[in-house]
Amino acid sequence: KQEVTQIPAALSVPEGENLVLNCSFTDSAIYNLQWFRQDPGKGLTSLLLIQSSQREQTSGRLNASLDKSSGRSTLYIAASQPGDSATYLCAVRPLWGNDMRFGAGTRLTVKP
Amino acid sequence: DAGITQSPRHKVTETGTPVTLRCHQTENHRYMYWYRQDPGHGLRLIHYSYGVKDTDKGEVSDGYSVSRSKTEDFLLTLESATSSQTSVYFCAISEPFPRTDTQYFGPGTRLTVL
Repeated sequence: KQEVTQIPAALSVPEGENLVLNCSFTDSAIYNLQWFRQDPGKGLTSLLLIQSSQREQTSGRLNASLDKSSGRSTLYIAASQPGDSATYLCAVRPLWGNDMRFGAGTRLTVKP
Repeated sequence: DAGITQSPRHKVTETGTPVTLRCHQTENHRYMYWYRQDPGHGLRLIHYSYGVKDTDKGEVSDGYSVSRSKTEDFLLTLESATSSQTSVYFCAISEPFPRTDTQYFGPGTRLTVL
């Protein structure tokens, strides 16, 4: 059974800092990995999707990497802003089937 | 934002009553999903659909049923609600390969079972 872990559970940084969020998974037989953002009381917003054949994806100040063999992905946020404060979740889709598995998320606070 | 709506947005019900949640999409995506989100458990898949009348179970399907009679609507039914089904329920849609397979989420339904 695929297990997805995100450490730390919470992170507080000052504005302007570059930061890395971590996601690890136990089964490397994945089809893709997706990073989401969730604001309090809201649904999830897709940030980046990395196919299993890719190593990284970039969107603006966000860069996500994937190392399938080691079961790890990182989300790099450059020059963090207070508006980046949210919970960030990663999810993996298995190679076969549609049962996506989510991590519990990292709650990020960026202080002005 | 993807055109996904969920209704109702909030519901309080009593143990043993039936409850139906609705997800409606305007994107014509083939796949639709129901998740529940609970503190300490993250999001867990309940059921999903890969086409009209085509559904399958997810990780936590016990006590739930689904139906999809039209591309745009996916219904989640709790036949006899229990307090353990108090949760926030999210609907999601996606269009798999050769499209991007990105999942887009609705705003959620907060269900309280007393």
